[in-house]
Amino acid sequence: DTEVTQTPKHLVMGMTNKKSLKCEQHMGHRAMYWYKQKAKKPPELMFVYSYEKLSINESVPSRFSPECPNSSLLNLHLHALQPEDSALYLCASSQYFSGQGDTEAFFGQGTRLTVV
Amino acid sequence: GESVGLHLPTLSVQEGDNSIINCAYSNSASDYFIWYKQESGKGPQFIIDIRSNMDKRQGQRVTVLLNKTVKHLSLQIAATQPGDSAVYFCAENGGATNKLIFGTGTLLAVQP
Repeated sequence: DTEVTQTPKHLVMGMTNKKSLKCEQHMGHRAMYWYKQKAKKPPELMFVYSYEKLSINESVPSRFSPECPNSSLLNLHLHALQPEDSALYLCASSQYFSGQGDTEAFFGQGTRLTVV
Repeated sequence: GESVGLHLPTLSVQEGDNSIINCAYSNSASDYFIWYKQESGKGPQFIIDIRSNMDKRQGQRVTVLLNKTVKHLSLQIAATQPGDSAVYFCAENGGATNKLIFGTGTLLAVQP
C-alpha cells in the first residue's frame, strides 16, 4: 500500500467557518507534510511533522493549524480563511524527514478548497 | 535565494517521439532529486529519483540524468504516449533534510 488518502476531495467554506482537512497513510512513514498549491504553480511547503512532532512551519498564518494525532494521521484545521486561501491542499508522507537518508515523498490526491 | 527552475514551461511532442524535460537547480548542497508527474486534478505522482552519487538512473520508459557540474537535471521519456500528458516537476532536497523544493513545472502535451 503506497497510498496517502485525503478527505474531503472538495470543500467549500465561508470565511467564518471552521473546517478540517484529513490525511492518512499506512506505510509506516514517520514524516508527514502539508503543501499548498495554487493553479499552475508548484506545491509550496506549509508544515512538516517528523515522529509526530512539528519540525517546520513555513511562516504559515495562524488561521491554518496542523495536528498530528498519531503516526498515521495528519489534520489541518482551518478557521477564518480568506478567499486567497483557495487552493489545492496536498498531504504527503515519506519514510523519514532527516538524518536517516532521503526517500521519496508520496502525495495524496489533495483537497480542493474554495473559500467564499 | 536558492531555486529550482525549468527552461521550458511547455513542451509539445508527437506521440511515439522521445521527450526531454530539463531542470536547473542552484542549491549545490542538494543531494537528492525527484521527478513528479501531476495530472489535472490529481496530486503529484512519483516517477523517478536520483542521488548525487549517480549520473544516470533508468526506470520503465524514463531516464533521469544528473549533471552536477552545471547543476542540471533532465527527464527523458521514451516513446511518449498520450497518457504522459501532464505537468512535470523536478524537486530537490536542499541537502539537509527531505524538505522538497519544487521547480516551476513543465507542461508536456502529447499530440496524437
